Amino acid sequence: EVQVLESGGGLVQPGGSLKLSCAASGFYAMTWVRQAPGKGLEWVAAIGSSGSPTYYADSVRGRFTISRDNSKNTLYLQMKSLRVEDTAFYYCAKIIGSIAAHFEDWGQGTLVTVSS
Amino acid sequence: SYVLTQPPSVSVAPGQTASITCGGDNIGSKSVHWYQQKPGQAPAVVIYYGSDRPSGIPERFSGSNSGNTATLTISRVEAGDEADYYCQVWDSRSDHYVFGIGTKVTVL
Repeated sequence: EVQVLESGGGLVQPGGSLKLSCAASGFYAMTWVRQAPGKGLEWVAAIGSSGSPTYYADSVRGRFTISRDNSKNTLYLQMKSLRVEDTAFYYCAKIIGSIAAHFEDWGQGTLVTVSS
Repeated sequence: SYVLTQPPSVSVAPGQTASITCGGDNIGSKSVHWYQQKPGQAPAVVIYYGSDRPSGIPERFSGSNSGNTATLTISRVEAGDEADYYCQVWDSRSDHYVFGIGTKVTVL
């Protein structure tokens, strides 16, 4: 059984927009984490099980919006004003337990490439 | 913002013990989680809440957390343990999750 599946990645020009989706079963808080090719993990955003609260990394605050539709078991990441440095694999994962809990059931990631 | 410090790399011979440290200001008061990432794969948790081990993770993996240092220990290292390992915490002051830079474990 596939627990988590990301989609929506692709090639976009600098300044453009893209919306990622993550199909995930279960009623959990969720998070997005990204990884530039050959680099380490960078946390991006998180959202509570009911849609709030939301949290953002400083590098994406004001440009990215995390949301969810629990009727569709889907998590979203709306990305605007994209920059070359946003190029990365984007993973979604479940936050199992409290806000300080670990990330579990990571998807395989979707690649976002920002380039002209 | 809260910073986690990891060594970039650790090398260990098969059968020996690998210790990966994660330094942070009073990290002993935080919940620390460790992830393993093999090439081409998504990360997966190997230790959570400092020392708990998910089902399916060998007992060779253990964790500790005290003072300013958390440690992931891999005993009786095998070739299949070669991977990148990341520590992670929730920083309540900034409302941010934080990852360390990752440690590449090489089995000689």
